[in-house]
Amino acid sequence: GQQVMQIPQYQHVQEGEDFTTYCNSSTTLSNIQWYKQRPGGHPVFLIQLVKSGEVKKQKRLTFQFGEAKKNSSLHITATQTTDVGTYFCAGLGGSYIPTFGRGTSLIVHP
Amino acid sequence: DAGVIQSPRHEVTEMGQEVTLRCKPISGHNSLFWYRQTMMRGLELLIYFNNNVPIDDSGMPEDRFSAKMPNASFSTLKIQPSEPRDSAVYFCASSTQGGNQPQHFGDGTRLSIL
Repeated sequence: GQQVMQIPQYQHVQEGEDFTTYCNSSTTLSNIQWYKQRPGGHPVFLIQLVKSGEVKKQKRLTFQFGEAKKNSSLHITATQTTDVGTYFCAGLGGSYIPTFGRGTSLIVHP
Repeated sequence: DAGVIQSPRHEVTEMGQEVTLRCKPISGHNSLFWYRQTMMRGLELLIYFNNNVPIDDSGMPEDRFSAKMPNASFSTLKIQPSEPRDSAVYFCASSTQGGNQPQHFGDGTRLSIL
């Protein structure tokens, strides 16, 4: 079945440093979604990418979808303490059900 | 607009007891997902409903777990009998079109089986 790998599992950064999490699928995806879960909270939808090579920005967050539509990344510029949480990717392959990665937990040290 | 509503928020019970978790999806959403989240296994999909019909229940751990969606505005996840290894946070999520549209998650039910 489809597998979605996400790395790293954890990332510690100093406030102001950049952060990147990577998502790789074993199969070609029709779309990929990104979610953020704050500690003690629930996953919240951030963005969806559909097109090959697509790049979308939300303030300090930049999302990319690979040319082969098998990988994606989320980059945060100049992290802030409000960025703390776990970032999940969810890839939609041949089925109608997206597969979630294990998530990357971001810890920001002030 | 009201989001996905789950109840209870917390449940603590002894092993062997029946546990029922409830979910009210966002009005107009025809897809509903039940997830279980643990540190060890991450976010696992248990079952997916579309238009109140179970489409994929391959993630349901075993026969002790069952889920129903009697109408478009209500779903339940039942565990009977419960075991300590069922302790986890259970999320319900809904969307307008399966995995093609964003999923909106409820606040979850934190379940502890003693």
